[in-house]
Amino acid sequence: GQQLNQSPQSMFIQEGEDVSMNCTSSSIFNTWLWYKQDPGEGPVLLIALYKAGELTSNGRLTAQFGITRKDSFLNISASIPSDVGIYFCAGHSNNDMRFGAGTRLTVKP
Amino acid sequence: EAEVAQSPRYKITEKSQAVAFWCDPISGHATLYWYRQILGQGPELLVQFQDESVVDDSQLPKDRFSAERLKGVDSTLKIQPAELGDSAMYLCASSLGAGANYGYTFGSGTRLTVV
Repeated sequence: GQQLNQSPQSMFIQEGEDVSMNCTSSSIFNTWLWYKQDPGEGPVLLIALYKAGELTSNGRLTAQFGITRKDSFLNISASIPSDVGIYFCAGHSNNDMRFGAGTRLTVKP
Repeated sequence: EAEVAQSPRYKITEKSQAVAFWCDPISGHATLYWYRQILGQGPELLVQFQDESVVDDSQLPKDRFSAERLKGVDSTLKIQPAELGDSAMYLCASSLGAGANYGYTFGSGTRLTVV
């Protein structure tokens, strides 16, 4: 089936630094989504991208839908301690949503 | 804000026992999903319902897993018998429709430990 490769697996950064993570796939998706998951909770949607090339911002978060429809990235600017968590990319096509393995973000105050 | 309710939050069971999880989606959401998330991995779809009908259960291990949504509202996922490898977080999500543009809302999950 479709497989999403998300990188990096983990990041340790200082508060205030910018963060970038990305997701690639061998298959085309119609929609790319980015979720954040806190320990013991379900994923929460951060950003959804619906068109190839689309660049969308949500506060300090910026995400882009790759032109080839096979990749997406998420940037977080000026990180703060509450950004800690696991970030998942997800690709959606044909009633099917697949998730990457996640990027675990640690922010040191 | 409307939430997807799941219970129990935590479940410890012995292998070979039966276990069941319950999910109450956001009111009016026709589409309901059950996902399994193994520690350190992303969620993987087990089953998708549209109202009371199963739309996709291709990844559901049907020899031991079953899911139902009899009245098209709340749903139950059952495992019988449980195996050690079933230890995971079981997440329920719901959406107004089946497309990604409707947005999925996830519940807080049920953490299952099989001993």
